[in-house]
Amino acid sequence: AQTVTQSQPEMSVQEAETVTLSCTYDTSENNYYLFWYKQPPSRQMILVIRQEAYKQQNATENRFSVNFQKAAKSFSLKISDSQLGDTAMYFCAFMNTGNQFYFGTGTSLTVIP
Amino acid sequence: DAGVTQSPTHLIKTRGQQVTLRCSPKSGHDTVSWYQQALGQGPQFIFQYYEEEERQRGNFPDRFSGHQFPNYSSELNVNALLLGDSALYLCASSHYPEQFFGPGTRLTVL
Repeated sequence: AQTVTQSQPEMSVQEAETVTLSCTYDTSENNYYLFWYKQPPSRQMILVIRQEAYKQQNATENRFSVNFQKAAKSFSLKISDSQLGDTAMYFCAFMNTGNQFYFGTGTSLTVIP
Repeated sequence: DAGVTQSPTHLIKTRGQQVTLRCSPKSGHDTVSWYQQALGQGPQFIFQYYEEEERQRGNFPDRFSGHQFPNYSSELNVNALLLGDSALYLCASSHYPEQFFGPGTRLTVL
């Protein structure tokens, strides 16, 4: 079975600073996808970034980037130049080859003006 | 493209009742998954539909059932509601490997 662990229930960061959210996962599969989703108070789950396990290059989307360490089964999210609109719950998710998703318990991020 | 839509937005039911939630997937997506998200928790996978059949199922009782229609839209049915069924129910549509979520239906069981 796959599990996803987010060990930081809450984090805060000053506006314009950089913050890193941690995620680890456990799987016996070799091919899979990893995701970070953002869920603002409006509750709409929004895809932030996606990483294919077979790619060594870390994914980047504007201010968002990941540090994917396959051997360590670690998948952290770095947010640069934090903005007030980044305040939200962030969920790390794992997708197996059967297209089934497993989510972590989330990290609540607050950007402080 | 309207993205993934869900109805209703909010719903209040009493214990023992039955409820039906609806989901229309993003254009071009043929797979629909349903998740239950309790307050303060991550989404928990209920089941997934593809080509009108349940393809995978999470650890949920048979009180939770679903259906997918030829146009790929889907319904989630919950029978004999319990207080513990109160949650945000999220629908996600996907076309491998992308998955996009709808805004959710907030179900309250009294």
